[in-house]
Amino acid sequence: EIVLTQFPTTLSLSPGEGASLSCRASQTIGVYLAWYQQRPGQAPRLLIYDASNRATGIPPRFSGNGSGTDFTLTISGLEPEDFAVYYCQQRSNWPPTFGGGTKVEI
Amino acid sequence: QVQLQESGPGLVKPSETLSLTCNVSGGSMRSQYWSWIRQSPGTGLEWIGYIYYTGSTKYNPSLKSRVTLSVGTSKTHFSLTVKSVTAEDTAVYYCARGAGGIVVVPAPLNEGFGLWGRGTMVTVSS
Repeated sequence: EIVLTQFPTTLSLSPGEGASLSCRASQTIGVYLAWYQQRPGQAPRLLIYDASNRATGIPPRFSGNGSGTDFTLTISGLEPEDFAVYYCQQRSNWPPTFGGGTKVEI
Repeated sequence: QVQLQESGPGLVKPSETLSLTCNVSGGSMRSQYWSWIRQSPGTGLEWIGYIYYTGSTKYNPSLKSRVTLSVGTSKTHFSLTVKSVTAEDTAVYYCARGAGGIVVVPAPLNEGFGLWGRGTMVTVSS
């Protein structure tokens, strides 16, 4: 199965700053990568699908790019509600797999 | 809008069977894929399997021998059973809309898990 490695594990930032989160796949997955946000006590929420497409209702400060094995989620101007854990997930090969997460903390 | 709600026992004894149900309200299960995903501190997020509204299924090979998904006849809920549970099955279990991968029969809203239930904690302990 495809292993997704996310880095850094933790990102310490302040509101208003930008964030750049990385996800690397153990083999090429085209653009079949999604990003999720998980706040404490909540289920994950889909942010980005197929590397760069924002899901319905997701604000434009969230953007994704990448292809092949290297992907990035960028958050432009962190809002207080953006401090959470972010996961990537690939759908190129079965079974779908998730990365270990990056925690964005204040 | 469509909402998902998991239900089932929060405590299961080792070697017994875990059974959960996901109720789909506010919309139809028709023409969509529906998945179970679990999350534990040790394993992280793990896709368990999907069921199409017609009843066809696909499972994670790591769990395939112990897992069964089914859809209710009224097509308003779908269920998960996991046999012979151990402490490693302790997790928060989520139901979600989507297959998680590329499927033979395309479905709208299938590019990711776009809708999740709130999750239910299941502990395996005697």
